[in-house]
Amino acid sequence: EPEVTQTPSHQVTQMGQEVILRCVPISNHLYFYWYRQILGQKVEFLVSFYNNEISEKSEIFDDQFSVERPDGSNFTLKIRSTKLEDSAMYFCASSLEGERVGAFFGQGTRLTVV
Amino acid sequence: GENVEQHPSTLSVQEGDSAVIKCTYSDSASNYFPWYKQELGKGPQLIIDIRSNVGEKKDQRIAVTLNKTAKHFSLHITETQPEDSAVYFCAAFMNYGGSQGNLIFGKGTKLSVKP
Repeated sequence: EPEVTQTPSHQVTQMGQEVILRCVPISNHLYFYWYRQILGQKVEFLVSFYNNEISEKSEIFDDQFSVERPDGSNFTLKIRSTKLEDSAMYFCASSLEGERVGAFFGQGTRLTVV
Repeated sequence: GENVEQHPSTLSVQEGDSAVIKCTYSDSASNYFPWYKQELGKGPQLIIDIRSNVGEKKDQRIAVTLNKTAKHFSLHITETQPEDSAVYFCAAFMNYGGSQGNLIFGKGTKLSVKP
């Protein structure tokens, strides 16, 4: 069964450092997303990406965040200068027809900022 | 904007009993409502979804009902098994227009099924 894969599973970084979280969406999917989940809280939408550009972003997704699809398979989330409050589980997701059909999620990357 | 409330936050049932999780949403324009199951250390997995033109949908032991007038939807799990133990999230898709929009999640329900 096709799945969304994320690397690394756990990333520890020092405050102020840049991190790149990587995702390989399901191959024929067209819409890509990043969500985050702070420990014990709900899953929060960050950004959606379609046709090589951001289609929607939440207020959480400020100038410190960026996304990129550098090739035909990877989808990355970059945080330029990490803050303690960026510590969370970050989920990548993809879908074939926008979120109407329900997105498939990766297993997540746990980001710990120290 | 859309707001999704989910209850209860924790639910403990005996194996074989039924479990019901309820969600309400605020934006009447929302038209798609998926449910996700998240097991420890894993990402949310879509288990069932329902569109606004459907009142009820069933898939084996799992069913979802939608009341558009009251703006609430519920997940029903019958004959629960220990492997059903997980955190369940409801979500509502808020449509900005065309295919754009995003999923707003509830806070989750931790379901524990005791053998």
